[in-house]
Parts: sequence; C-alpha cells; structure tokens
Amino acid sequence: DIQVTQSPSSLSASAGDRVTITCRASQDIDRSIGWYQQKRGGAPKLLLFAASSLQSGVPSRFTGSGSGTDFTLTISSLQPEDFATYYCQQFYSRPVTFGQGTKVEVK
Amino acid sequence: QVQLVESGGGVVQPGGPLRLSCAASGFTFTDFAMHWVRQSPGKGPEWVAVVSNDGSEREYADSVEGRFSVSRDNSNNIVHLQMHSLSVEDTALYYCAKGVMVSGFAEDCFDSWGQGTLVTVSS
Repeated sequence: DIQVTQSPSSLSASAGDRVTITCRASQDIDRSIGWYQQKRGGAPKLLLFAASSLQSGVPSRFTGSGSGTDFTLTISSLQPEDFATYYCQQFYSRPVTFGQGTKVEVK
Repeated sequence: QVQLVESGGGVVQPGGPLRLSCAASGFTFTDFAMHWVRQSPGKGPEWVAVVSNDGSEREYADSVEGRFSVSRDNSNNIVHLQMHSLSVEDTALYYCAKGVMVSGFAEDCFDSWGQGTLVTVSS
C-alpha cells in the first residue's frame, strides 16, 4: 500500500496569512493526489484533484502543486471560512489512502 | 445535483452484522464505480470498499476483507455494504462516495460524499 505522510499535523494562522500544507507519498504517484477540506460535522469536500486541478466552485486562493512524491496545498490568503482540517489522498493505486490531516486553527 | 444518502447505521454488538445502503441521484449511476469510506471519531478518512459501475468487480481494504461485501442495484441506483463480524474497531461514520470524472474516466478521487451513517459497535 502507498503511504501518504502529511505535515504539519496542525498549524495556527490568522486571516490573510499564506498557508502551506505538504504531503509526501511513499512512492511515485505521478500527479494522482487530491486535497480535501473538512469542517466539523461535515463530509470531506474535494478542493483539488490531479495535484493542481481546482474542483468546480472552489475559490482560486486554493492552489496545488507537485508531482512524483512531494505535493503542496497552498491557501494564498486565509479566509475565516478556511479554518478547518485538510487531508490529502493518493488515488494512484488501490487501496487509496489518506494523509493524517492538518488542522488549521485560529492564532 | 448529485445526492448520496446513506442509511442503515446503528448500534450493534461485537460479532454482529449490519447492512448499510446508499441511495444515489443526480448523475448517471452506471457511469461510476461507487465507494465506501469510513471515518472513526477524531481520525482521518479510511477507504473501505469499491464496486465497479456494472457490479462485476469489487475490492476491499485489508481491514475488512472477508467480513464486508459491497454490491449495487443499478435498477434503483443503490449501493449496499453488508458487514459481518463487526468489532469495536469498525465503529465509524460510513460515507458512500463517487469519483471525479477526468477526461471521461472516473478517478478514485471523491467529488461527492453523502452525509454519512454512524455505525457503533458496542456491547
């Protein structure tokens, strides 16, 4: 199984900050990674797929980059509604696997 | 719009069975494999199982292989997850999910999720 290691596990930030979350796969997964946002009590919401493709309706302040084993999710200017937990997921091969999550909290 | 509505969760004793269902609407059901993903309290999502668009192929996470069975009814746009020999480690919110379509191919990256149905295994 492909392991996906996400970091940091949590971070504190203020509205307007630039936030970066990283994900490392245990083997080359090309660009087969997705990023999700999950708010308390809700299902995960897909933000980006195939490393950098923005899902319909997702604000452009969310961007993704990377290929191979190292990937990044960037929020260019954190908005109040962005305080949530973020997960990466590899879909290169089954079983698909998720990172451990990054909780973005208010500083 | 896409809707996925899970049902069938509840409290079950260790070793017992439970059957979950997911009613789908708002998309061409037979174009997509359908997945079950679970999330234990305070943990990240864990993929559980997938059934192909025509129901002929099924795959499972190692943690549920041999205990869970996924199936689908393409006449009624429903996916089922039959669970046996449940243990406390199976306690979680169970979601059904569909993949995002990329260049005509449904990837295992999930653009639609249900609200989840809670399974609690406890004596």
